Amino acid sequence: DAGITQSPRYKITETGRQVTLMCHQTWSHSYMFWYRQDLGHGLRLIYYSAAADITDKGEVPDGYVVSRSKTENFPLTLESATRSQTSVYFCASSELAGGPPDTQYFGPGTRLTVL
Amino acid sequence: GNSVTQMEGPVTLSEEAFLTINCTYTATGYPSLFWYVQYPGEGLQLLLKATKADDKGSNKGFEATYRKETTSFHLEKGSVQVSDSAVYFCALIENTGNQFYFGTGTSLTVIP
Repeated sequence: DAGITQSPRYKITETGRQVTLMCHQTWSHSYMFWYRQDLGHGLRLIYYSAAADITDKGEVPDGYVVSRSKTENFPLTLESATRSQTSVYFCASSELAGGPPDTQYFGPGTRLTVL
Repeated sequence: GNSVTQMEGPVTLSEEAFLTINCTYTATGYPSLFWYVQYPGEGLQLLLKATKADDKGSNKGFEATYRKETTSFHLEKGSVQVSDSAVYFCALIENTGNQFYFGTGTSLTVIP
């Protein structure tokens, strides 16, 4: 199906474990983003990528690693999960319309619980 | 720096009531402004946008006008429905930037 998908949709893990959240988009959008959503904070940008092999930090990058070897995939890895990383994670993509990114398209989210 | 401030929620309205959700922004340049909506259990969806001053974005009965003089982008709807119950996010991106900035979201519940 066309669009942006995330997997898994739900994940429970333990403190100290490595976790990877997957994001895949079928539009060949240049930009991809990872956000976390927490009560009282809205959406906070973790990392973003302007193109394959180009990534940059957002507002809250500590404890996270990203890579983008292919345009359509943008995995997010928690190298050693902590309870403070319990959150809902959203991936988004956006086209570069001759300038800054235009409208973002969001995936359905991954609800991560770290015990 | 860039930031977006939304009115605190939650907001509860009766069906057919008038809705206003306030949004003001701070930007160092000339931003594009967006309203996104998030229905329960889903990701965000674009509701409307405006790319320059005095533009009016509209969709599904919702409207917002880009007011540069007041740095605002308030969301309005004349008659809300139960199906409008959701969380609404105001957002901006600078025209020379590559990061979006979101407000904290305003939860709306419409009761029959």
